[in-house]
Amino acid sequence: SQQGEEDPQALSIQEGENATMNCSYKTSINNLQWYRQNSGRGLVHLILIRSNEREKHSGRLRVTLDTSKKSSSLLITASRAADTASYFCATGLTGGGNKLTFGTGTQLKVEL
Amino acid sequence: EAGVAQSPRYKIIEKRQSVAFWCNPISGHATLYWYQQILGQGPKLLIQFQNNGVVDDSQLPKDRFSAERLKGVDSTLKIQPAKLEDSAVYLCASSFGTGGRTEAFFGQGTRLTVV
Repeated sequence: SQQGEEDPQALSIQEGENATMNCSYKTSINNLQWYRQNSGRGLVHLILIRSNEREKHSGRLRVTLDTSKKSSSLLITASRAADTASYFCATGLTGGGNKLTFGTGTQLKVEL
Repeated sequence: EAGVAQSPRYKIIEKRQSVAFWCNPISGHATLYWYQQILGQGPKLLIQFQNNGVVDDSQLPKDRFSAERLKGVDSTLKIQPAKLEDSAVYLCASSFGTGGRTEAFFGQGTRLTVV
């Protein structure tokens, strides 16, 4: 079963706009990570936020984490056509062998 | 730094046949993961190794799937016999630290088609 659920499932925006996608999870986590997957390729790590952090930035990416609501959001500012991809959140679970489990993903399309 | 290597990239087999996938993680990475990704879905963890020990294999269909990581380095994932629903991309990943605590690096995956 999937630990995380992304919302929305699909998102279409114009180049230059901001894109926001959300992730909700079920159990206690050590950290939450976001990955990008271009069509037919492997996943690429974007950013990791630990359970004791609330916000993190990396370039045009901003991630927030609310452990009380078991949710996270990924904001991509000033989107580009090259940002078109699927985005997944992944949770590093506390205990249970520290599994890394993925959500269902958001398909982002950035149009020119 | 060399990335995670997987082979083959593509494989087409008939149902009930067997198939094996190979993964070479990044040197020094203790944790190795195998994921199954069905088209349009997120990766599903099949098995997670810490060095050569199994950390989690709760979602591995053990009646047909098997995996090993000899000497805590390379790993193979086998399916025998394959079913139509096994058609998916099989992703291998590795991470330096304890699983789930650091970023994972992914290979390009093996696309399996069972006909």
